[in-house]
Amino acid sequence: EAGVTQSPTHLIKTRGQQATLRCSPISGHTSVYWYQQALGLGLQFLLWYDEGEERNRGNFPPRFSGRQFPNYSSELNVNALELEDSALYLCASRPGQHSTDTQYFGPGTRLTVL
Amino acid sequence: AQRVTQPEKLLSVFKGAPVELKCNYSYSGSPELFWYVQYSRQRLQLLLRHISRESIKGFTADLNKGETSFHLKKPFAQEEDSAMYYCALTDSWGKLQFGAGTQVVVTP
Repeated sequence: EAGVTQSPTHLIKTRGQQATLRCSPISGHTSVYWYQQALGLGLQFLLWYDEGEERNRGNFPPRFSGRQFPNYSSELNVNALELEDSALYLCASRPGQHSTDTQYFGPGTRLTVL
Repeated sequence: AQRVTQPEKLLSVFKGAPVELKCNYSYSGSPELFWYVQYSRQRLQLLLRHISRESIKGFTADLNKGETSFHLKKPFAQEEDSAMYYCALTDSWGKLQFGAGTQVVVTP
């Protein structure tokens, strides 16, 4: 069974630009979560999508947004990039039935903002 | 507010020695608690969750609601246990709240 995949592996942008990160969940999983792993700040919840809708978001500014497509894959968009957005962005998926089902993580996208 | 605390950033143990990673939490309600592990150059993966009450790779964790703790234990550490360990709880939305993580280094 293929796991969660993310692309690109690495992304280098400059301040003020926009970044788009992509995630493909495990087949059959309808929920997708995004987390940010920044140096010194640990793993922080960003966004949750389920059945194509944004269900919950963490304590991040509106320039962090995303969407979920009909095939349940997801995109995370970060507008007006700032230096502190440099981090590893992890995507996780789980089956949609129960909120406490195990989340399976992708390998992450390393975003570097210069 | 919910919070997960892992007081040790780094834990260095000898092979064959017992290892215990501490995790304390605050949560209003009945939390679901997890331990995730990240081995070098691998993705974050579930190690165990309290509701399954199973032992994975020799690790066990007991939920102590009185002390609001979910410490991870293994009686005999192995070199392959060297990794970053995260304690986490999930709320009713399913989002994971992680602790800061504990880096475990097992030396021969």
